[in-house]
Amino acid sequence: DAKTTQPNSMESNEEEPVHLPCNHSTISGTDYIHWYRQLPSQGPEYVIHGLTSNVNNRMASLAIAEDRKSSTLILHRATLRDAAVYYCILRDRSGGSNYKLTFGKGTLLTVNP
Amino acid sequence: SAVISQKPSRDICQRGTSLTIQCQVDSQVTMMFWYRQQPGQSLTLIATANQGSEATYESGFVIDKFPISRPNLTFSTLTVSNMSPEDSSIYLCSGGQGAWETQYFGPGTRLLVL
Repeated sequence: DAKTTQPNSMESNEEEPVHLPCNHSTISGTDYIHWYRQLPSQGPEYVIHGLTSNVNNRMASLAIAEDRKSSTLILHRATLRDAAVYYCILRDRSGGSNYKLTFGKGTLLTVNP
Repeated sequence: SAVISQKPSRDICQRGTSLTIQCQVDSQVTMMFWYRQQPGQSLTLIATANQGSEATYESGFVIDKFPISRPNLTFSTLTVSNMSPEDSSIYLCSGGQGAWETQYFGPGTRLLVL
């Protein structure tokens, strides 16, 4: 599986934007870029995913570099409830690796009031 | 969307015993997976639960230790056999439809082995 690299931790202030980077220089043409987050004492939850174009949903935006070797998850206004570990994951859309999600260490986001 | 529940939510077990964890999805899903999350660590995939056939295990995990059943498209069980304190962990079930579809996670089962 192609690997991703994320900072171990980041800090933000409440109501400010947060940009969470992810490097995936060995991404293949069949890989989707997925973001999940894990709130304290909960199972992971889906945030957003994309292939080539930037994506927006009610939770966040995903900015994908033109060469697809990096991406950035953007939380437009962080709240205390956004404090979590954020995982950037590459997922093979061709069915390779049986669609499984392989989690790295993720980025621990701390949101200060 | 899919809602996934797990039973039990937590348990304390004696070494040498076995525990079966149940995972129920409120809708049919193509794929189901079992993960382990050790304290302070990320999730590690144990196996893919295949309906009507043997599970597909990841490197380092074997069927004798973690037997898995999946009788239909909404239910799966994971058994942690002959437990030792090293098996103390959170065990999570997840389900989804495919690479472009969201994968949903259960809340986890917190296991402590004494």
